[in-house]
Amino acid sequence: DTAVSQTPKYLVTQMGNDKSIKCEQNLGHDTMYWYKQDSKKFLKIMFSYNNKELIINETVPNRFSPKSPDKAHLNLHINSLELGDSAVYFCASSQRRTGALNTEAFFGQGTRLTVV
Amino acid sequence: AQKVTQAQTEISVVEKEDVTLDCVYETRDTTYYLFWYKQPPSGELVFLIRRNSFDEQNEISGRYSWNFQKSTSSFNFTITASQVVDSAVYFCALSEDRRGGADGLTFGKGTHLIIQP
Repeated sequence: DTAVSQTPKYLVTQMGNDKSIKCEQNLGHDTMYWYKQDSKKFLKIMFSYNNKELIINETVPNRFSPKSPDKAHLNLHINSLELGDSAVYFCASSQRRTGALNTEAFFGQGTRLTVV
Repeated sequence: AQKVTQAQTEISVVEKEDVTLDCVYETRDTTYYLFWYKQPPSGELVFLIRRNSFDEQNEISGRYSWNFQKSTSSFNFTITASQVVDSAVYFCALSEDRRGGADGLTFGKGTHLIIQP
């Protein structure tokens, strides 16, 4: 059983289109994330969701919107795709703890988005 | 704000050599967590280790070992007797404790390790 799964693995689309990437985790974690890895391999967090509540939102264009129907799913919607959006997008999950050990983040296999 | 620096962009060694990957971090929190992840050529991110700020004990797992020193804000990773399968990009990452770590991970830029046969 895959702990964190994302679909699709590859996505090629034209500029201006709207697309979604799905993510599901079966670990029972309460926090899910989206990270972007650019062409230089730099990983940066985009969003974090905890119990359906958006915790953080970095300087990400509002064309990107996370949607969480339940705590096991966090989908990423992207509107009006631009060439610069081409990257690998990783979903991750962890269990948020206060005053105790934090768990490691488990990552999905990544979605390589190519905008042409 | 937190920051993670991996000064070594790329390291190339011959198989069976020992190699150390450096990681230096910055944070204002007194409680934080440090991680290492491996990204092989296949692209997935593989968790290797987590360390808490209040536990400076070094850790060894097979050929892998980690040296955590709060005095120098470093969390270095050593691979002993390297193998070709160790070739990958290795990321050091930091998570602060405020909001229970829900802010996610701050990653270094990664070190590309090449093990030549």
